[in-house]
Amino acid sequence: KDQVFQPSTVASSEGAVVEIFCNHSVSNAYNFFWYLHFPGCAPRLLVKGSKPSQQGRYNMTYERFSSSLLILQVREADAAVYYCAACYGQNFVFGPGTRLSVLP
Amino acid sequence: EPEVTQTPSHQVTQMGQEVILRCVPISNHLYFYWYRQILGQKVEFLVSFYNNEISEKSEIFDDQFSVERPDGSNFTLKIRSTKLEDSAMYFCASAPGQTTNSPLHFGNGTRLTVT
Repeated sequence: KDQVFQPSTVASSEGAVVEIFCNHSVSNAYNFFWYLHFPGCAPRLLVKGSKPSQQGRYNMTYERFSSSLLILQVREADAAVYYCAACYGQNFVFGPGTRLSVLP
Repeated sequence: EPEVTQTPSHQVTQMGQEVILRCVPISNHLYFYWYRQILGQKVEFLVSFYNNEISEKSEIFDDQFSVERPDGSNFTLKIRSTKLEDSAMYFCASAPGQTTNSPLHFGNGTRLTVT
């Protein structure tokens, strides 16, 4: 069965680099998408691709079946849920989300 | 920046009633999606729509659900006879689709409460 796996929670201190790991069993998926979700708001795309990439403070690592999102210089305002999605064609399989808590 | 808009932001309905959730995707997008998130749970895929037909649907999307793109701009999700367990946040999303793996753009969601 096509599934995407993420830790349910991750904690970090302010100013640190936090890593959120994701892996999947979606055989036809070659791309990862990382979304940020604040409750009550639209999930927002942070970074995507089939190779390592960076958008501002967000870095994405890439392996065939796994990816990590690294958030640099974590702030309290980064506390949210982060979703990883594996994509093939225009089909997206989302992970369960990782809730990031940031300790001052 | 163009965005996906959803109305209403909150809908309350009684069990057994029909409800229609409305979405206006980004105008030049080709793919349309509905996802839902039950409180405290993960975002779940319901259905994708392309070229005026359903391209994929999940097990959740049973005969009680239907989607329509009635006028070329709106994309609606209808639940025929709502159940308590349909209470959730429903997200609409669209994607350009002109290239493969184009990203989803989400709306702010409609919170459906079934009483």
